[in-house]
Amino acid sequence: AQSVTQLGSHVSVSEGALVLLRCNYSSSVPPYLFWYVQYPNQGLQLLLKYTSAATLVKGINGFEAEFKKSETSFHLTKPSAHMSDAAEYFCAVSDHTGGFKTIFGAGTRLFVKA
Amino acid sequence: EPEVTQTPSHQVTQMGQEVILRCVPISNHLYFYWYRQILGQKVEFLVSFYNNEISEKSEIFDDQFSVERPDGSNFTLKIRSTKLEDSAMYFCASSDGVERKQYFGPGTRLTVT
Repeated sequence: AQSVTQLGSHVSVSEGALVLLRCNYSSSVPPYLFWYVQYPNQGLQLLLKYTSAATLVKGINGFEAEFKKSETSFHLTKPSAHMSDAAEYFCAVSDHTGGFKTIFGAGTRLFVKA
Repeated sequence: EPEVTQTPSHQVTQMGQEVILRCVPISNHLYFYWYRQILGQKVEFLVSFYNNEISEKSEIFDDQFSVERPDGSNFTLKIRSTKLEDSAMYFCASSDGVERKQYFGPGTRLTVT
């Protein structure tokens, strides 16, 4: 079965510092991978997706993620954190069976200090 | 950009009552989903729907739950007899199947008292 594991339920960075949110996946087939962001009391917004094209994927709000097959990783990065980046981030994989449901990781809450 | 919409945004109900959560998927999409997120926890898959039938459901989606696409535009989730543990945010999503990208609605917060 496919799954994603997010390392670190909470990450705290200073404003202007590098953001690194870690995600590892498990899949027996080439995966479709996603990062979503959820601001407090809001829905899920797609940040970026990997669909077997370029391994470095650029998303919205300055975020990017690199697919590394050898490490089964899809870590999310942003060079310089902004206060508005404070939110919950979910890594997800699209299931390759049935109705292609999305399987979410447990989430990482990002705190940004002034 | 087209959006998935959900109504109501917040529903409060008493234990044992029936609730219907409504979703309007993006018009040309063929795949429909319901997910739930209990407060502070991760998003969990409930059910997927394609070609007017359930294509997959999770163990959470027991006999108390049902889905329907009554009129070709709405997609509903019914909980027949709500329990306290059904309190959660429920997200609807739809997809045209291209690149497996799903578009999520803003969610309905269900509170069972």
